[in-house]
Amino acid sequence: DIQMTQSPSSLSASVGDRVTIACRASQSISSYLNWYQQKPGKAPKLLIYAASSLQSGVPSRFSGSGSGTDFALTISSLQPEDFATYFCQQTYSTLWTFGQGTKVEI
Amino acid sequence: QVQLQESGPGLVKPSQTLSLTCTVSGGSISSGSYYWSWIRQPAGKGLEWIGRINTGGSTDYNPSLKSRVTISVDTSRNQFSLKVSSMTAADTAVYYCARENARDGEDYWGQGTLVTVSS
Repeated sequence: DIQMTQSPSSLSASVGDRVTIACRASQSISSYLNWYQQKPGKAPKLLIYAASSLQSGVPSRFSGSGSGTDFALTISSLQPEDFATYFCQQTYSTLWTFGQGTKVEI
Repeated sequence: QVQLQESGPGLVKPSQTLSLTCTVSGGSISSGSYYWSWIRQPAGKGLEWIGRINTGGSTDYNPSLKSRVTISVDTSRNQFSLKVSSMTAADTAVYYCARENARDGEDYWGQGTLVTVSS
């Protein structure tokens, strides 16, 4: 299985902050990397696909970067509705796997 | 707008088989070249991909669950289903159904259904 490791596991930030979450794959996954946002009691929501493509309807303050084994999700100016848990996911192998999540808190 | 809705029992006894159904609305399950998947999430934990199916019946399963999982599709009802046998407490989780958009991830999700394994 391809292991996905996110860092940090949690972070504290304020409205307006620039926030970056890292995701590392245990082997090269090219650009087959997606990012999701999950709020308590809700299903995950796709934010970024193919490492850097913004899903329709997602605000432009979200951006993704990276390829190979190292990736990042950046929120350029944190908004109150962005406090949530974020997951990365690799879709390189047949067995899709997720990172353990990063909780963004106030 | 595609919508997915899980249905099934919220409580399952140990050793029993869980059966969940996902009903797709807002479009035909057969339109496009999508796969339809199941994902679960134990309380306070991460996401585990269980498996997928396309409308031709082709499936992939997570090897860690493969011996206990069956996913099927009923295009006439616009539904796909999950069966997990020999349930234990470790299978207690919120179960989600979702649409896979090729390798671009799951773009539509159901709201999730909590399944508890307890006698």
